[in-house]
Amino acid sequence: EADIYQTPRYLVIGTGKKITLECSQTMGHDKMYWYQQDPGMELHLIHYSYGVNSTEKGDLSSESTVSRIRTEHFPLTLESARPSHTSQYLCASSELGAGVTEAFFGQGTRLTVV
Amino acid sequence: GENVEQHPSTLSVQEGDSAVIKCTYSDSASNYFPWYKQELGKGPQLIIDIRSNVGEKKDQRIAVTLNKTAKHFSLHITETQPEDSAVYFCAASGNTPLVFGKGTRLSVIA
Repeated sequence: EADIYQTPRYLVIGTGKKITLECSQTMGHDKMYWYQQDPGMELHLIHYSYGVNSTEKGDLSSESTVSRIRTEHFPLTLESARPSHTSQYLCASSELGAGVTEAFFGQGTRLTVV
Repeated sequence: GENVEQHPSTLSVQEGDSAVIKCTYSDSASNYFPWYKQELGKGPQLIIDIRSNVGEKKDQRIAVTLNKTAKHFSLHITETQPEDSAVYFCAASGNTPLVFGKGTRLSVIA
């Protein structure tokens, strides 16, 4: 069982609201990621971090921002939510070591903007 | 950057039959190829992975094969059971964030 937690699991908010999706892991992983999953299932990388104070944008352009002040915490913020932000957001983490290692995923946050 | 193609997008099999999902990748620097299973309402979970120095790996009813020359890898599930019904993703990475295929929705019909 992966020790990576996302809150909230479900969120319905109005257009223009500021929201923060929380992601925490207790595995001591240096690498953390945010993926957006569209209704057609596809996973798109929107942000990633390889350690504290390190963040990078992913392949999919996103209006969200992230921060990495603590190793275990990688929150994602939308300053002004729009209906086009409606999606499933998945957080993941993996070890920083030689080569690529398994990525562990949280349960996801399903966001609906009305 | 890496591009991963996955086929088929949907697959229906009778219980007890085998299921095969195929993926191709574009970046010859990729050396790690995991497969994830995603059940309804959950995040993806790793079921098996293979590295570029291995051609085949098996874990009970699940096996993965890798052909580095052709840049393709496949997932094989034998003796399928209803609980195998889920969405399966292949992915590839060369010490970069995982790039995923578009997913295959597998339905096992009892």
